[in-house]
Amino acid sequence: KAGVTQTPRYLIKTRGQQVTLSCSPISGHRSVSWYQQTPGQGLQFLFEYFSETQRNKGNFPGRFSGRQFSNSRSEMNVSTLELGDSALYLCASSPMDGSNTGELFFGEGSRLTVL
Amino acid sequence: GEDVEQSLFLSVREGDSSVINCTYTDSSSTYLYWYKQEPGAGLQLLTYIFSNMDMKQDQRLTVLLNKKDKHLSLRIADTQTGDSAIYFCAESLSGGGADGLTFGKGTHLIIQP
Repeated sequence: KAGVTQTPRYLIKTRGQQVTLSCSPISGHRSVSWYQQTPGQGLQFLFEYFSETQRNKGNFPGRFSGRQFSNSRSEMNVSTLELGDSALYLCASSPMDGSNTGELFFGEGSRLTVL
Repeated sequence: GEDVEQSLFLSVREGDSSVINCTYTDSSSTYLYWYKQEPGAGLQLLTYIFSNMDMKQDQRLTVLLNKKDKHLSLRIADTQTGDSAIYFCAESLSGGGADGLTFGKGTHLIIQP
């Protein structure tokens, strides 16, 4: 089974621009979560999607948004980029099939640099 | 509010046991996890424990949970150079991450030859 795939792996943007990151979950996984990782704040939960619905959202401004498609693939968007948005953005998928194993499977991340 | 705390660094000799500690504040936490992150990579789930357990063993890994003190530890037996990584403790109220995991800042495990 292929793992969680995130694209692009690296990107550079300038302040004020917007960015879209993509995540393909493991086949059969219906839940996709997004996390931001920075040296200062560590790993912080952005949001979680299941069956195309955002079920939970972390404490981030409205510039951060996401969506999930019917095939469970997910995208997140950050508008009006700020220098502080430079981070590794990690996507994780989970089967959410009632097996209740509590596992999240992470991709390798998209490293965003804002200049 | 939720908070997870870990020491930032741990240095051990190759072949010794490593013990990484973590404390959490949310007594409602149902699931507790240990993740490993190698340079340039995402997070790899090492093991997890339900809050109704006090110990879980998986090959070289042993997880101990003291729910009264809200203390979680990860013991790696016979530490190898390949164990060099950042280890994150995380908690969740529900399995699968629907409500988001709260992570500690991570412990850098340094292996001395």
